[in-house]
Amino acid sequence: QIQLVQSGAEVKKPGASVKVSCKASGYTFSNYGISWVRQAPGQGLEWMGWITSYNGDTNYAQKFQDRVTMTTDTSTSTAYMELRSLRSDDTAVYYCARDISVAAPNWFDPWGQGTLVIVSS
Amino acid sequence: DIQMTQSPSSLSASVGDRVTITCRASQNIKMYLNWYQQKPGKAPNLLIYAASSLESGVPSRFSGSGSGTDFTLTISSLQFEDFGTYYCQQGYSTPLTFGPGTKVDIK
Repeated sequence: QIQLVQSGAEVKKPGASVKVSCKASGYTFSNYGISWVRQAPGQGLEWMGWITSYNGDTNYAQKFQDRVTMTTDTSTSTAYMELRSLRSDDTAVYYCARDISVAAPNWFDPWGQGTLVIVSS
Repeated sequence: DIQMTQSPSSLSASVGDRVTITCRASQNIKMYLNWYQQKPGKAPNLLIYAASSLESGVPSRFSGSGSGTDFTLTISSLQFEDFGTYYCQQGYSTPLTFGPGTKVDIK
């Protein structure tokens, strides 16, 4: 079955970086994009950006443009999201999700299980 | 950025009730509107894509309608397992944006 499995929880200090992985299985990785969405505790969903391994294109939300890098490794069908210069308000569950399109982000199905990132001194 | 609003923010209904959630976009998004259900501690789950297409495996009591700026998610006969928070999301332009969510409780 189609599945996205994310790396485990992380605790980071302010100013540090975090890199979350998302391993896909059950479908042809290069035929779909991957979007990253985060959810702060008790809050709603926030789209961070999208990447496709089809041609390496990325599309980042302007809010994260200067601090985020999304990459893929097609040999292992794994997507990565690195967020730098972490602040306390980056504490959230980070989700990867298969995006239906390789041309532009659209809708997400399925989602990974989520990775909790806590930023605390 | 396209702003998404939802109403109501929460509701409580009985099993068997018909439930309607409304989502409004700040500009015309044609039919680029998707709906998700999220249960506590779990990842969201796609219910409806492109405003009215039912995702495979989703019960037929869920339906979506609308186009342009106004959209609706309807649960024709609420079941116990339908509790959770429902989010709309526009896929028309980046940054993709979500509505604030509608929390559904079962009476």
